[in-house]
Amino acid sequence: GNSVTQMEGPVTLSEEAFLTINCTYTATGYPSLFWYVQYPGEGLQLLLKATKADDKGSNKGFEATYRKETTSFHLEKGSVQVSDSAVYFCALSPYTGGFKTIFGAGTRLFVKA
Amino acid sequence: DTAVSQTPKYLVTQMGNDKSIKCEQNLGHDTMYWYKQDSKKFLKIMFSYNNKELIINETVPNRFSPKSPDKAHLNLHINSLELGDSAVYFCASSQGDRGNSPLHFGNGTRLTVT
Repeated sequence: GNSVTQMEGPVTLSEEAFLTINCTYTATGYPSLFWYVQYPGEGLQLLLKATKADDKGSNKGFEATYRKETTSFHLEKGSVQVSDSAVYFCALSPYTGGFKTIFGAGTRLFVKA
Repeated sequence: DTAVSQTPKYLVTQMGNDKSIKCEQNLGHDTMYWYKQDSKKFLKIMFSYNNKELIINETVPNRFSPKSPDKAHLNLHINSLELGDSAVYFCASSQGDRGNSPLHFGNGTRLTVT
């Protein structure tokens, strides 16, 4: 079956540090891949997405590349800010039957000033 | 203008009670969902409705009953509440069943059962 595995947190970084959150997936066919972010007390928001192999999703300085050969979709940001402190979720949605998005366990990020 | 709104934001109740959570979306989407997030932030889908038709019904106790009066609304009624039902419940919506359509979430309802 389909599944998503992301690195356990929490991840604690100083402001302006480089961020990587690893995400790997197992799926049949050609799923779409997403990163969502959840700020305290709020719902999840779409951060970026990629719908086919070698696509790069980007938003607000965050990037992730859909790597089919390594079944990965790692999230990166070159310089984090305190305001990036949140929980980040990697997710997978099948090409068809997309009703069933599967989420990773979430990675909490703390950024210190 | 809030895209996916759910009420109430907080719900504190005693074991054995019955409660409802309401959700509305103004995005014109045809699919709506209920997700449960536990204390470790793990998200699990409970139900999905497409054009008012139940599409996904995960292994959720019969005490949970969703109702979709129209495409823009999906409510969740919970009977005989138990301590283990304490969690944050999120409503979400998306367009169609293509996997490339992202989910749009409400801000959640924190349910505490005492």
